[in-house]
Amino acid sequence: GAVVSQHPSRVICKSGTSVKIECRSLDFQATTMFWYRQFPKQSLMLMATSNEGSKATYEQGVEKDKFLINHASLTLSTLTVTSAHPEDSSFYICSASGLLGQEETQYFGPGTRLLVL
Amino acid sequence: SQKIEQNSEALNIQEGKTATLTCNYTNYSPAYLQWYRQDPGRGPVFLLLIRENEKEKRKERLKVTFDTTLKQSLFHITASQPADSATYLCALGGSSNTGKLIFGQGTTLQVKP
Repeated sequence: GAVVSQHPSRVICKSGTSVKIECRSLDFQATTMFWYRQFPKQSLMLMATSNEGSKATYEQGVEKDKFLINHASLTLSTLTVTSAHPEDSSFYICSASGLLGQEETQYFGPGTRLLVL
Repeated sequence: SQKIEQNSEALNIQEGKTATLTCNYTNYSPAYLQWYRQDPGRGPVFLLLIRENEKEKRKERLKVTFDTTLKQSLFHITASQPADSATYLCALGGSSNTGKLIFGQGTTLQVKP
């Protein structure tokens, strides 16, 4: 139980293009989904928190127009990196919470490696 | 500001020994603390959650302690195996009900056969 998938697992794109990353909770309804980015040998940095049907809450310093988050259903959230630039290259990881009886626990996807050329 | 410290140096131990990882925090009063395992190029995997009113929690070969006075958690893996080699992250959750977690930078454990 508590499986979260991410797609794609790896993406290479040209500078200026937009990239969409999907995060799905496969066997439970996620009331909340979180998006993180992680640089090599560093910790996870929370970018935003999203609840189904409402606008995402972004962390300080994260541009909401740059990183568009949509949480259309209880099992799907998407992150779109708009007009990507090389500095956006990173490992993006989503997590989902809301499993009955374990609401505080976050279940993570496998991550998406983004490389912007 | 809130700060979480995990030993940034890798921990190398011999198979069969007990590995002990430390997580210290300041300027924070977490309602709970979680430990995750992360393998290279993968997302973290949840291991254990311990609440502020709990002193210790166990799961198979894993044991976590939580001392809110010292503001410290210890994570133990007994009878360690090479397969336990990974980075272990501690994460703090607050009473604000947002569900947000603050992660430490992780400690890499290497278990040698």
